[in-house]
Amino acid sequence: GQQLNQSPQSMFIQEGEDVSMNCTSSSIFNTWLWYKQEPGEGPVLLIALYKAGELTSNGRLTAQFGITRKDSFLNISASIPSDVGIYFCAGRSSNTGKLIFGQGTTLQVKP
Amino acid sequence: GAGVSQTPSNKVTEKGKYVELRCDPISGHTALYWYRQSLGQGPEFLIYFQGTGAADDSGLPNDRFFAVRPEGSVSTLKIQRTERGDSAVYLCASSSNSGGGYTFGSGTRLTVV
Repeated sequence: GQQLNQSPQSMFIQEGEDVSMNCTSSSIFNTWLWYKQEPGEGPVLLIALYKAGELTSNGRLTAQFGITRKDSFLNISASIPSDVGIYFCAGRSSNTGKLIFGQGTTLQVKP
Repeated sequence: GAGVSQTPSNKVTEKGKYVELRCDPISGHTALYWYRQSLGQGPEFLIYFQGTGAADDSGLPNDRFFAVRPEGSVSTLKIQRTERGDSAVYLCASSSNSGGGYTFGSGTRLTVV
């Protein structure tokens, strides 16, 4: 099925480093969402973006809705070991509840 | 309930058998979604309900898959004549409307042997 292009596929970083990941799509979305998933659990919503150009923070996380409405990025500052997990972007077109997910970015943090 | 509850958490079935997966959404949430997640992939949309009706079932892969939500609360995903390729984690989510982010359950891991 249709998916977003999410990169990088995986990251292995040192505790305290900043992290950046992004998503691109050939389609325009009206909503961008970022989720985190840990083993054996469903994805948990981190940040939701509803307007092109919007920049939103949630603690050490910052995400932006691209001006073209075809991309979004997520930054994590000063990473800590509990940031480990798989991060997914997801986009929604108008008039639908359906989300299209990226392939995920696996983050590992070395203490 | 406090969160989205899915049962069973794990299901192993033989090829060709019928299975039912259950989802209890957050109380009061009108929208309910089913996704399928294969290993190393993001969740893939199957179907979503607004109340009792299926608002979009475009993600159901074939006619072996069917879902119901008869009273607008609990939903059941039904898979007939299971195949090994149906093995995946089936995720359910719910929301108070179809416009925001939604809350996922922990999923049912289905293994077809």
